[in-house]
Amino acid sequence: RKEVEQDPGPFNVPEGATVAFNCTYSNSASQSFFWYRQDCRKEPKLLMSVYSSGNEDGRFTAQLNRASQYISLLIRDSKLSDSATYLCVVNRAGTASKLTFGTGTRLQVTL
Amino acid sequence: DAGVTQSPTHLIKTRGQQVTLRCSPISGHKSVSWYQQVLGQGPQFIFQYYEKEERGRGNFPDRFSARQFPNYSSELNVNALLLGDSALYLCASSLAGQAPNTGELFFGEGSRLTVL
Repeated sequence: RKEVEQDPGPFNVPEGATVAFNCTYSNSASQSFFWYRQDCRKEPKLLMSVYSSGNEDGRFTAQLNRASQYISLLIRDSKLSDSATYLCVVNRAGTASKLTFGTGTRLQVTL
Repeated sequence: DAGVTQSPTHLIKTRGQQVTLRCSPISGHKSVSWYQQVLGQGPQFIFQYYEKEERGRGNFPDRFSARQFPNYSSELNVNALLLGDSALYLCASSLAGQAPNTGELFFGEGSRLTVL
C-alpha cells in the first residue's frame, strides 16, 4: 500500500465549477501536510499547508482529518489557469526534508 | 534572484553508463534534497544534504550517490544505469535542515534523464 494515496483523475470540470480532491495517508506518525501544484513538465510548487483547523487561501480550502488520516483540497470558481496536477504531500516527524508525495490528481478546467 | 538551477536539463544515456547531475540551491539555502519523478508518479525522495552532511536517504540502491560542496551546491551520481532510471530528477533547496513546518521546498526545473 502506498503511503499517500490519491485518485489520479483526470478531473475535467467547466470554468466556474467547484472541485474537491481527496488524499489518504497510511503513516500515523505523519506530522505535516501540504498540497503542491505541478504544471505539465514543470517543477512542483507549494500551494498551501494543511492544518487540523482547516485553512483557506482565496479560492482554495484545505482540510485535515487526523483521525481518518484524510486530507482534502477544495477549489471554488475554477479557472482555466488551475489546470495542473495537485500533489498531496506528507512529512513525518524527524525526517528532515523528506517529503512523501502522492501520485497526484490531474485537473483540467475547460471553457 | 536566481532560483534552484539544475544541469543538464535533458540528457540521454545508454544502459550501464554513469551520469552526474548538478544543482545549485537558492542563495542562502544550506539544504539540498534530490527527488526522482517517474512519468505519472509523484516525486520520490532520494537524498537530503545539509551543511555537507547526508541527513536522509530514500529507498534507492547504492548505485545512487550524492554529495554537497562547501558552496552548498550538490551533485547526484547514478552508476550502471538501468532503463528504469529514466525519470525527471528534481533538486530542491530549503533554508534549514528541516522544512517540516512550512513544507516549502523550492524545486529546480529538473534534469530529464532518458536511458536507452
